[in-house]
Amino acid sequence: AQSVTQLDSHVSVSEGTPVLLRCNYSSSYSPSLFWYVQHPNKGLQLLLKYTSAATLVKGINGFEAEFKKSETSFHLTKPSAHMSDAAEYFCVVSDLQGAQKLVFGQGTRLTINP
Amino acid sequence: KAGVTQTPRYLIKTRGQQVTLSCSPISGHRSVSWYQQTPGQGLQFLFEYFSETQRNKGNFPGRFSGRQFSNSRSEMNVSTLELGDSALYLCASSLVPGSENTIYFGEGSWLTVV
Repeated sequence: AQSVTQLDSHVSVSEGTPVLLRCNYSSSYSPSLFWYVQHPNKGLQLLLKYTSAATLVKGINGFEAEFKKSETSFHLTKPSAHMSDAAEYFCVVSDLQGAQKLVFGQGTRLTINP
Repeated sequence: KAGVTQTPRYLIKTRGQQVTLSCSPISGHRSVSWYQQTPGQGLQFLFEYFSETQRNKGNFPGRFSGRQFSNSRSEMNVSTLELGDSALYLCASSLVPGSENTIYFGEGSWLTVV
């Protein structure tokens, strides 16, 4: 079975500084990987997805992630944090090819300090 | 166009009761999946439906069931509610199964069991 591990449960950065949220994955085949964001009391919004095309994936709101097969990593970055980025972020892998079954990491809570 | 719509948004039930949650996917989307989110277990896959057929099921007891109608709307049912069933239940939809298709989430149904 596929799995993801988010290496930090909580990340705190100052507004205007870079953001790095780390994710490692385990997959028996070439995976599809995603980052979703959840604001308080809201559903999940897709930030970006990797499905075996370009290894550097650009998403919404200035976020991007790089797929590194040799390191089995899919870290999420943003050059400059904004207060509105404060939320819970989930790294996600598709569990079955051809299915709509996702496996979620435990989440990283991102706090932005003014 | 309208997103994934879940009803009701909030509900309180008593132990032993049953509950039915509804999900209307994005217009044209035929694949629907359900997830349970709790502070302890995180986000876990419940079921996946396509063309009124359950394609995959997560590791949940038989008290959890679901179905999909011909218009792609879906319902999930939890019978004999337990305190541990208190959670945010999220529905997701995509055009067809497969992670290459973007999966959109609704805002969820908050279930509290007392």
